[in-house]
Amino acid sequence: KNEVEQSPQNLTAQEGEFITINCSYSVGISALHWLQQHPGGGIVSLFMLSSGKKKHGRLIATINIQEKHSSLHITASHPRDSAVYICAVNYWRGSQGNLIFGKGTKLSVKP
Amino acid sequence: NAGVTQTPKFQVLKTGQSMTLQCAQDMNHEYMSWYRQDPGMGLRLIHYSVGAGITDQGEVPNGYNVSRSTTEDFPLRLLSAAPSQTSVYFCASSSQGQPQHFGDGTRLSIL
Repeated sequence: KNEVEQSPQNLTAQEGEFITINCSYSVGISALHWLQQHPGGGIVSLFMLSSGKKKHGRLIATINIQEKHSSLHITASHPRDSAVYICAVNYWRGSQGNLIFGKGTKLSVKP
Repeated sequence: NAGVTQTPKFQVLKTGQSMTLQCAQDMNHEYMSWYRQDPGMGLRLIHYSVGAGITDQGEVPNGYNVSRSTTEDFPLRLLSAAPSQTSVYFCASSSQGQPQHFGDGTRLSIL
């Protein structure tokens, strides 16, 4: 069963393009996370949100609780944005320490 | 402030051997988790803890034990290593309502 679905799986963009990565989930959640994993493996939390929209630099994350959908947008993409972007959720009945992950979106930004 | 520290970074074991992956955090986080990451599978939760003395199973707990005797430490024990446990293991910690902080990972190969 795939409780957290991400699309696309792979994405290639030219530097400067606007990028959108989508995440949908199947049950009620208490929070949704967007994570970034660079080649070399380290994982960094980009956003944790339960409603609305958050912005950090060129990154914007939105969530629609009714539609069970979230998007991660990257404006003015740059080669250094090349990474795997992972969506994860805390189910509302679960513990905060218990995340369910999507399989990730591999982004490659060409100069 | 070191964050989440995992040791070792790399390990090769023979089938049947036992070992402990160490995880320590210095942020006084109550929540700690262990995940494994396999190609095509995404990250999956092995065990998690909501505080010292309290642990629970995640999605893939078989073959692994954990304990949480202190807030800082959350070791993961492989009882009898099997090739199917070849993976990259991540430890993470967080406080209530805050994003998770991940360690750098342990690459484990079982021959």
